[in-house]
Amino acid sequence: QKEVEQDPGPLSVPEGAIVSLNCTYSNSAFQYFMWYRQYSRKGPELLMYTYSSGNKEDGRFTAQVDKSSKYISLFIRDSQPSDSATYLCAMSANSNYQLIWGAGTKLIIKP
Amino acid sequence: DAGVIQSPRHEVTEMGQEVTLRCKPISGHDYLFWYRQTMMRGLELLIYFNNNVPIDDSGMPEDRFSAKMPNASFSTLKIQPSEPRDSAVYFCASRTQQELGGYTFGSGTRLTVV
Repeated sequence: QKEVEQDPGPLSVPEGAIVSLNCTYSNSAFQYFMWYRQYSRKGPELLMYTYSSGNKEDGRFTAQVDKSSKYISLFIRDSQPSDSATYLCAMSANSNYQLIWGAGTKLIIKP
Repeated sequence: DAGVIQSPRHEVTEMGQEVTLRCKPISGHDYLFWYRQTMMRGLELLIYFNNNVPIDDSGMPEDRFSAKMPNASFSTLKIQPSEPRDSAVYFCASRTQQELGGYTFGSGTRLTVV
């Protein structure tokens, strides 16, 4: 079993819909949780960064961490075609522990 | 800052040839990472450096792969000899000591070994 599980998709939704992307993990020591967005033929770019449990909001994006369930989510409101990309979750136990990456979910927003 | 700069963007080479990938990290970043990305295996960490010193190279597939960081502004990843199964996109990323999650990735080098 992988340490981090993420459905590769693709996930296709109409423009304007609310998107929910998720990752599950097995290591209860993880405390730092990240979401990266990767456009085709580009490197990943950091989208959201949260520590421990709770929610964090940034514009149309909300990151949610549920440590009791070992489950993290990224919500995108009012989705746009420009949100079409692959979304990767990543997590770590501490500052000296390297990131463990999910496989990435390909998201397609249809105009 | 121009971000993390990788070269070349694309490389096509014949099996058995030596390949050298280059990376210039963001100035002031303490950590440098080399990743490989494929459809089958996703993002794989190959090696990382802290203040130019290699810390963990356990992800390097085999002895055909080597990486160096002679100074804070330059790193290379070399494959010798190259094989078709090395075909992938190779990313370099850097970050500061403090920003654990704040990796900045380059645009990658798409390597094709024929």
